[in-house]
Amino acid sequence: ETGVTQSPTHLIKTRGQQVTLRCSSQSGHNTVSWYQQALGQGPQFIFQYYREEENGRGNFPPRFSGLQFPNYSSELNVNALELDDSALYLCASSLEGQGVLGYTFGSGTRLTVV
Amino acid sequence: RKEVEQDPGPFNVPEGATVAFNCTYSNSASQSFFWYRQDCRKEPKLLMSVYSSGNEDGRFTAQLNRASQYISLLIRDSKLSDSATYLCVAFDTGRRALTFGSGTRLQVQP
Repeated sequence: ETGVTQSPTHLIKTRGQQVTLRCSSQSGHNTVSWYQQALGQGPQFIFQYYREEENGRGNFPPRFSGLQFPNYSSELNVNALELDDSALYLCASSLEGQGVLGYTFGSGTRLTVV
Repeated sequence: RKEVEQDPGPFNVPEGATVAFNCTYSNSASQSFFWYRQDCRKEPKLLMSVYSSGNEDGRFTAQLNRASQYISLLIRDSKLSDSATYLCVAFDTGRRALTFGSGTRLQVQP
């Protein structure tokens, strides 16, 4: 079975631009969560999608938005990029109800905002 | 105050040493706890679950004290390959979210 794949692996954007990050969930998983990990910090929860709807959100502003598609893949969109948005963005897929033990993280997208 | 707090380290220990990491959490609604391991520039990977009754997996032992909201990880007979950042994690079923500490960096030296 395939794991979680994220694209692109690295990306450089300019302040004020918009970015879209992509995640393909592990086969059989129907839930996708996104996390932001700044340098030297632990990952922080952005939001979670289940059945194409957001069903949990962390303390991130509305310029962070997402989508989940019928095949359970997902996108994270960030508008009006700020320098502090530079981070590793991690996607994790799981099967609803399985809890943390079913989480699988992708290897992340490293975003640099200049 | 962060919801999950850890000593950032680094902990520099010789091979064969025993090392202990501690973590405290502030959200009493957190229901499950875990230790994750993260290698440099890689994704975090689940190391083990943490229970009040304790959990042992080979050289690794994790313990949860709900009364004091304290979590520990003990690594015995450290190996060079144990060098990584160890993340203390709480799971809130209501928010469906993992809350990570900032991580404790371990460097095992030959």
